[in-house]
Amino acid sequence: KAGVTQTPRYLIKTRGQQVTLSCSPISGHRSVSWYQQTPGQGLQFLFEYFSETQRNKGNFPGRFSGRQFSNSRSEMNVSTLELGDSALYLCASSPTSSGDPLGYEQYFGPGTRLTVT
Amino acid sequence: AQSVSQHNHHVILSEAASLELGCNYSYGGTVNLFWYVQYPGQHLQLLLKYFSGDPLVKGIKGFEAEFIKSKFSFNLRKPSVQWSDTAEYFCAVNRLDSSNTGKLIFGQGTTLQVKP
Repeated sequence: KAGVTQTPRYLIKTRGQQVTLSCSPISGHRSVSWYQQTPGQGLQFLFEYFSETQRNKGNFPGRFSGRQFSNSRSEMNVSTLELGDSALYLCASSPTSSGDPLGYEQYFGPGTRLTVT
Repeated sequence: AQSVSQHNHHVILSEAASLELGCNYSYGGTVNLFWYVQYPGQHLQLLLKYFSGDPLVKGIKGFEAEFIKSKFSFNLRKPSVQWSDTAEYFCAVNRLDSSNTGKLIFGQGTTLQVKP
């Protein structure tokens, strides 16, 4: 099976602009989670989508949003970019199902490196 | 607040030395536990996981980890490291309740440098 793919891999934007990042999960995985990775804060959870619904959200401002499509592909959007948004944005997919009490492991993509100037 | 602590930020070992990386978490409920590795220039890969059952779990590349519930710990071990184990290692916890679906809480990571 192909792994999690993310596009684009690198992105340079200017403060105030907006950006959309894309993630294609492993085939058959319906859960997609997004994380922000920075040297100072480490890996922080942004949100999780399952069957086109946001099930969970981390402590990020409303400028960070996402969505999931019927084919489980997901996008995240950051509006009004700030310098502090420069980070590696990681997407992870999981075979978890609705209400699964055991949970499942997450498989990560290579990330999108966003630089805000 | 829930947290995951990795005790060592930077570890330097010689090849064939034994490795133990500490990980503690602060949540008292039911959890799934993971160790991920990030080799230079590569994406995060799952090393091993604990869901239930035998608290000693074995992963890929000779790694193992032991879950000690009373200590809220999930330490990673390898008896003999190789130069190719040079990477960053992350401990992660998933709380098993409906408000935490799809959310992994990561430790700050440990950079392992293995000298040939």
